Formats: sequence, structure tokens, C-alpha cells
Amino acid sequence: GAGVSQTPSNKVTEKGKYVELRCDPISGHTALYWYRQSLGQGPEFLIYFQGTGAADDSGLPNDRFFAVRPEGSVSTLKIQRTERGDSAVYLCASSLMQGPYEQYFGPGTRLTVT
Amino acid sequence: DAKTTQPTSMDCAEGRAANLPCNHSTISGNEYVYWYRQIHSQGPQYIIHGLKNNETNEMASLIITEDRKSSTLILPHATLRDTAVYYCIVITTSGTYKYIFGTGTRLKVLA
Repeated sequence: GAGVSQTPSNKVTEKGKYVELRCDPISGHTALYWYRQSLGQGPEFLIYFQGTGAADDSGLPNDRFFAVRPEGSVSTLKIQRTERGDSAVYLCASSLMQGPYEQYFGPGTRLTVT
Repeated sequence: DAKTTQPTSMDCAEGRAANLPCNHSTISGNEYVYWYRQIHSQGPQYIIHGLKNNETNEMASLIITEDRKSSTLILPHATLRDTAVYYCIVITTSGTYKYIFGTGTRLKVLA
């Protein structure tokens, strides 16, 4: 079946601009995670959704970052006033339900802020 | 901070077993050990997980020490396609189940 998909695959934006990154989880998966991965590092947790609500947003670096999941399926990560330090690969993962289940990762969106 | 420590890199000859160690000395009784790998420019891929007992699936085997303070992922017959970064992650059975990744082990399989 279809895996986790993320769009766009690549995004180049200028410093100060607003960007939206989209994640389509596996159908029926209620848990959704966003991670950020800088070059040479492991992925870093950003936010977790269980259904429509953000159950844990402790990894969001500051208030320029925001994510939504209005219908409990597709999620959008929004970054305001982008900075060069936001350049990274943003990964989305979904899991069947809340619990210690394997997470299925998408291919990521590579964000470059110039 | 990650609850695991892994060697930065390892090499393995093609066709031989690759044994990737992981230390998780502060693991709690209700925490699982998960292994993922990440091939260049792809998202992490689930390999295997375990709690106390050794586990085996079509991809790999997971050996967990009796005191649970360390584990080893075994790829029985490594191929060039197994070249990747391998992450060992400890997951609690409560909370949000977010993954705390370390820097992983970069495995290079040599022809």
C-alpha cells in the first residue's frame, strides 16, 4: 500500500519568507510525528499529533514553527519568517495508533533558506 | 539527549555478518529497543524491535543482554544495499513515544 508521502520534496525559499510543508500519513494511522534532520545528525523530534490534537509540541524550536492536522489525517508544518538555520530535511512519520509501535517515515522535504 | 550510544562507523565485508552494538545502560524495565536504518536521502526505515527477548525477522536479528543494558543488531549476510546509518532507539511505553535519535552508526559494506 501507499506509504507516507511528503510534499514538496525540495523547497528553496528566501530568508524571511513563510513556508508550508505537507505530510500525508498512511491511511488509518492516527499518530503523526514531525522530525527535523540537519546534515550529519540524527532526526530531531518536533511535534506529535494523536488524531487532530497536538499531544506533544515540546520539540518546536520557537514560535515561528507551527503545525496543524485539522481532520486527523494530512498535516501541515508551517514556518514563519524563515531563517538560514531552518535549512534541514523535515521528516514526517505515522504510526497506527498511540503506543510503542513502529513509525513509518516519509522521504522528507529538504528545505533550503537562502 | 539520546539514551543510547553507538560507534560512529563500521565496515563489513559483503556476505559476512554485520554486528552493530548499542549501549543503553539507563534503560528502564518498560522501555523497548528499536532499530532503524537510513539509506542516503531516504527517511528512516524500521528494522526490528525488542523488549527482553532476542528477536528475529526477515531483515535482522536483535540480541539483548540479560541485564538489558546493551544490544546488538545482526545483519546475517550483509549486502552492498545494507550500507546505511543505523540508529538504536529506546522507547518508553508511556508518554508520546517520540523517538530520540543519536548520531547512529554509519555502516559501510565493502565489495
